Amino acid sequence: GIQVEQSPPDLILQEGANSTLRCNFSDSVNNLQWFHQNPWGQLINLFYIPSGTKQNGRLSATTVATERYSLLYISSSQTTDSGVYFCAGLNSGGSNYKLTFGKGTLLTVNP
Amino acid sequence: ETGVTQSPTHLIKTRGQQVTLRCSSQSGHNTVSWYQQALGQGPQFIFQYYREEENGRGNFPPRFSGLQFPNYSSELNVNALELDDSALYLCASSLAASGRYTGELFFGEGSRLTVL
Repeated sequence: GIQVEQSPPDLILQEGANSTLRCNFSDSVNNLQWFHQNPWGQLINLFYIPSGTKQNGRLSATTVATERYSLLYISSSQTTDSGVYFCAGLNSGGSNYKLTFGKGTLLTVNP
Repeated sequence: ETGVTQSPTHLIKTRGQQVTLRCSSQSGHNTVSWYQQALGQGPQFIFQYYREEENGRGNFPPRFSGLQFPNYSSELNVNALELDDSALYLCASSLAASGRYTGELFFGEGSRLTVL
């Protein structure tokens, strides 16, 4: 199966700062998604982004499928952005039913 | 449009017992998959159900089993619980054609299982 590497593993910011989270894949993927896990454990969908760039408010994401990576940008961070961010993808060359997750980036935004 | 719902949200069991977790898929979705998330890790795929049959399975022993019902809801059963089964169990639903996803997955709030 594919390997998913996320960086950095931990990130501490002051409120108002910008950040970039990265996700690298060992093989080509489709159905690439970014999630934010809230303190209660629920995975909140941020982006479904197999390729290209999308924006939603202060968040945006870019996937370069040919180079097997995706980036999540958070601008003007707020304390409510704190939590764990996961990327996950389906191996486009394998069985199309298993999302493989990275280990996540733990973001802490201080007031 | 209702989202993915799971029950129970928390439960405590002792080693050797059996547990059943339940999931209702988002309306319009026909596929349910289950994931196990240990503390500090990313979710790990357990299995997927499509058209009431297991359509794919991760690296989990046979004591992890499941069902999907005609209304696309699903159950995850774990027999002979072990301490390492303590985790957050997440259910995800999506739309699939011929067992292959056509879009994104949506997750429920999870069931947090503690095995003592």
